[in-house]
Amino acid sequence: SAVISQKPSRDICQRGTSLTIQCQVDSQVTMMFWYRQQPGQSLTLIATANQGSEATYESGFVIDKFPISRPNLTFSTLTVSNMSPEDSSIYLCSVDITVRGADGYTFGSGTRLTVV
Amino acid sequence: QKEVEQDPGPLSVPEGAIVSLNCTYSNSAFQYFMWYRQYSRKGPELLMYTYSSGNKEDGRFTAQVDKSSKYISLFIRDSQPSDSATYLCAMSGGTGGFKTIFGAGTRLFVKA
Repeated sequence: SAVISQKPSRDICQRGTSLTIQCQVDSQVTMMFWYRQQPGQSLTLIATANQGSEATYESGFVIDKFPISRPNLTFSTLTVSNMSPEDSSIYLCSVDITVRGADGYTFGSGTRLTVV
Repeated sequence: QKEVEQDPGPLSVPEGAIVSLNCTYSNSAFQYFMWYRQYSRKGPELLMYTYSSGNKEDGRFTAQVDKSSKYISLFIRDSQPSDSATYLCAMSGGTGGFKTIFGAGTRLFVKA
C-alpha cells in the first residue's frame, strides 16, 4: 500500500499566522484527503483534493481558512490560515487503499499543531 | 446524537486477556465497517474490514457486525503490550455515500 510522508510532524505557532503542511505519497493517487483529529473527537474530514481541480470542502470548512494545493498526483499541501488556539489539533493526510480486498485509508503520521 | 458512538476508555487489561472494543451507530444504511489502530504519534492504520453483518477473523483479531442492533465489536485474543494503542471504528456506505464516519477511538493499555 501507499506510503505517506507528512511534514512538519509538529509545530507551535503564534495566533494570526499560517502554517503549511506537506504530504508526499510514494505512488500516484487520484484523491488525497485531509483530516483533523482533535483530542477526544473523531477524525473529521476537512476536504478532498483532486489533482487538476478545486478541492471539495466538507461542511464547516472553507477554502479561505484551509487552502489546499494539489499540483501533481503525489503531493498536496494544506494551509491553516490566520490561526487561533481553536485550530490546535492533529492534521492528517490520507489516500484510498485496497489491502487484501479491503477498502480503506492509509494515513500519514500527522502534524501536531499547537497555536499559542 | 453522534452517528458513531465509541467509549473513549482508557481500557486497561493484563497481558493475555481477551479485549472487547465496541461501537454503536445510528445510520442503518451503513454497509462497510472498519477498525483502525493508531499508535501514539502515528496515523491510523487499517486493521479489519467487514462488509455487512457477520464475523471476520484475522489472527488474534475478530471483527463482528450486528446490523440489527447497530453494534460492531473488535475482539483481541491473547492481548499483548504491543496492542496498546487507540482503536477507531469506522463505517461508510448507504445514504451517506462512501464518506467514512469515524468513532472517537478507545484507548487500550495492555499491561505486561
